[in-house]
Amino acid sequence: GESVGLHLPTLSVQEGDNSIINCAYSNSASDYFIWYKQESGKGPQFIIDIRSNMDKRQGQRVTVLLNKTVKHLSLQIAATQPGDSAVYFCAESRMDSSYKLIFGSGTRLLVRP
Amino acid sequence: NAGVTQTPKFRVLKTGQSMTLLCAQDMNHEYMYWYRQDPGMGLRLIHYSVGEGTTAKGEVPDGYNVSRLKKQNFLLGLESAAPSQTSVYFCASSYGGGAPSYNEQFFGPGTRLTVL
Repeated sequence: GESVGLHLPTLSVQEGDNSIINCAYSNSASDYFIWYKQESGKGPQFIIDIRSNMDKRQGQRVTVLLNKTVKHLSLQIAATQPGDSAVYFCAESRMDSSYKLIFGSGTRLLVRP
Repeated sequence: NAGVTQTPKFRVLKTGQSMTLLCAQDMNHEYMYWYRQDPGMGLRLIHYSVGEGTTAKGEVPDGYNVSRLKKQNFLLGLESAAPSQTSVYFCASSYGGGAPSYNEQFFGPGTRLTVL
């Protein structure tokens, strides 16, 4: 079946640097995408979402980029902090059934002091 | 508000035993979900509910049953546990409806289940 996947399982960055986490999706019918953050021992937490009619969306210190041509999205974290250390998941869905999410396998972000 | 709570936090079962996981939410959400998360993988939807008294199958429903007798509670049952059901189970809830703005999912802290 179609699925959402990630290129890098672990990303290590220096505190203060910018982080980029990538995700590839294969279902061309998906038109809604979400990034979640999961800290150790906790459930996932919503970070930011983007609809397919957008290429870019910015939040506080985070930016999501969507490239529909190559079915790729990325999460950029500016000035990475120790508190950003977590596993990040992308998830895909459809706008008309956005409660049904398909999650990727996750990328672990490690922030070096 | 407590948000989404799950009980128990940890459980060890022997093959063939049964158990029920309880999820409760105090946000008056219509939709509730059960996911499982295996090492190195994302979450997979087991069952979900779009309202009190309703349930529907997700991506990996086999071996599980659910009930939504009260709006605030969503129960996940394992009738005859198998080692393949060793996983971390997450419950989530959302306001409900098709539009994404109504479907941000709020997750509980998880239940770690080991089946020997």
